[in-house]
Amino acid sequence: NAGVTQTPKFQVLKTGQSMTLQCAQDMNHNSMYWYRQDPGMGLRLIYYSASEGTTDKGEVPNGYNVSRLNKREFSLRLESAAPSQTSVYFCASRGQNTDTQYFGPGTRLTVL
Amino acid sequence: EDQVTQSPEALRLQEGESSSLNCSYTVSGLRGLFWYRQDPGKGPEFLFTLYSAGEEKEKERLKATLTKKESFLHITAPKPEDSATYLCAVQARNYGQNFVFGPGTRLSVLP
Repeated sequence: NAGVTQTPKFQVLKTGQSMTLQCAQDMNHNSMYWYRQDPGMGLRLIYYSASEGTTDKGEVPNGYNVSRLNKREFSLRLESAAPSQTSVYFCASRGQNTDTQYFGPGTRLTVL
Repeated sequence: EDQVTQSPEALRLQEGESSSLNCSYTVSGLRGLFWYRQDPGKGPEFLFTLYSAGEEKEKERLKATLTKKESFLHITAPKPEDSATYLCAVQARNYGQNFVFGPGTRLSVLP
């Protein structure tokens, strides 16, 4: 039982490059989330998916797109990376009958 | 606008020296308040959920309490392994999927 897994762990991009961050959970959870964490700031919600086939914007969605591929997987895409997107990205999932979120280990992204 | 603030920003304690961390929030209709622990280089790990004023939850040396405007995380006789960043988050009733996180308190417990 791996919980929430994220790939890659680290990534360095140049401005303008694109990439996809992958997230998968094996807890049969309906809801999945993408957050970014910056120094001195709390986790900020980028996008979430309440169930397979649905996605909604969070607090800071600009510059990102998401895909809920199936119940297990939720990916985050940066189409044209900018230095302001340098951050640590966390994926989380939540079951239907609980408010508790379970987080992955994070992806540390640097955009030069 | 929903907001969460945490104080202090950082706290250094000697092993065995009890203290409290504060989480203050403004939210229109609290659905739940959450405490997480985050170790360096790792994702947040769930500790507690509190739903109503007066509620308390305990786990080992940690005890979380909730009032209408703030929550406290009390740490009794801390050990060095309690060193971590403690995050507070709130969920509002009318934003079911939106969790607002505070910036965290960085706790260091010295042996």
